Amino acid sequence: EDQVTQSPEALRLQEGESSSLNCSYTVSGLRGLFWYRQDPGKGPEFLFTLYSAGEEKEKERLKATLTKKESFLHITAPKPEDSATYLCAVHSSGSARQLTFGSGTQLTVLP
Amino acid sequence: EAGVAQSPRYKIIEKRQSVAFWCNPISGHATLYWYQQILGQGPKLLIQFQNNGVVDDSQLPKDRFSAERLKGVDSTLKIQPAKLEDSAVYLCASSLDWQQGRYGYTFGSGTRLTVV
Repeated sequence: EDQVTQSPEALRLQEGESSSLNCSYTVSGLRGLFWYRQDPGKGPEFLFTLYSAGEEKEKERLKATLTKKESFLHITAPKPEDSATYLCAVHSSGSARQLTFGSGTQLTVLP
Repeated sequence: EAGVAQSPRYKIIEKRQSVAFWCNPISGHATLYWYQQILGQGPKLLIQFQNNGVVDDSQLPKDRFSAERLKGVDSTLKIQPAKLEDSAVYLCASSLDWQQGRYGYTFGSGTRLTVV
């Protein structure tokens, strides 16, 4: 059974204070690892898909990296508008037709 | 392009009542998903459709939940009778390429169900 664990559960940063969110996964054959952003009262918004270890993708202040066991979402010089819940999900060959999500990290960036 | 549309946005019902949610996916997206998101947790897949056929409903509580996708476009999810533990946000998502998910899954804003 695919498992996704995200840490920390919650993170409070000062504006400009860089940090990383962690997503550890156990799957039978990774087909893709997804990062989503979810604002209160809204559905998850797609950010990145990573397919193989060593791959990196960037979007504005966000950079996602992938190893064989985990993924990191690095946030550089965050702004208050980056406050949201960040969800990690895996798409595996063991359950090839669905995404398995972690519980998310709730990020708060204080001005 | 227009996003995934869901209605209603909010619903409050008493336990043992029935409720239905509606979803209109992005035009041209063959794959449609219903997810349940309990407060503080990540979304959990309930059912996946490819066009109007069911691909995976292994996590759908079939004694009380049902879903259909008519003509491979709109979909409805029904709960009958509702239990307190069904209180959650019900998210609909659609995808252009289900095999790789390379385009990401586009989610609607969800329906927040409260069962009292």
